[in-house]
Amino acid sequence: GAVVSQHPSRVICKSGTSVKIECRSLDFQATTMFWYRQFPKKSLMLMATSNEGSKATYEQGVEKDKFLINHASLTLSTLTVTSAHPEDSSFYICSARAWGAFFGQGTRLTVV
Amino acid sequence: GESVGLHLPTLSVQEGDNSIINCAYSNSASDYFIWYKQESGKGPQFIIDIRSNMDKRQGQRVTVLLNKTVKHLSLQIAATQPGDSAVYFCAENIGSNYKLTFGKGTLLTVNP
Repeated sequence: GAVVSQHPSRVICKSGTSVKIECRSLDFQATTMFWYRQFPKKSLMLMATSNEGSKATYEQGVEKDKFLINHASLTLSTLTVTSAHPEDSSFYICSARAWGAFFGQGTRLTVV
Repeated sequence: GESVGLHLPTLSVQEGDNSIINCAYSNSASDYFIWYKQESGKGPQFIIDIRSNMDKRQGQRVTVLLNKTVKHLSLQIAATQPGDSAVYFCAENIGSNYKLTFGKGTLLTVNP
């Protein structure tokens, strides 16, 4: 139990386009999910808390208009990187809160 | 926030040796701590956790020690195996809401 699936695992997009990343809890419901960003050889940095049925809460310094989060159901949160630029290239990881924090496998975003 | 540093701390051990990975946490109010293992290109995997009312907890081949006085956490891996090679992160939390703050990580390399 407690499986979290992220999709896609890898994506390459052109500068200026938008990319949507999905985070699904497969066998449990999660009213809260978290989105993290990780640069190479660095730690995970919390970007935002995704709350089902309400607005996401963003960490200081994270642009909410750039990283749109939607948590429309108890099993799905999406992160949309809008007007992506090369500096947005990173590894994005979600976690779903249940009786623990369960992580997805991550999404490698490359903006060219 | 994350410590500034160019390189991930590394630990290199021989197969069969015991490994000790250390972590200094930042918030004296944190009352729940988790160790994660992250393999290249994947999301974090839960290893072991400990609450602040304990100073030691053991799992299979792993032991976590908590010293609240100096805000220090360690992960001991017994009889380290090549499959243990990965980056290890500690994470701290307040109130078990699973909104985690990650430490900077340690790269463990196990030599056969």
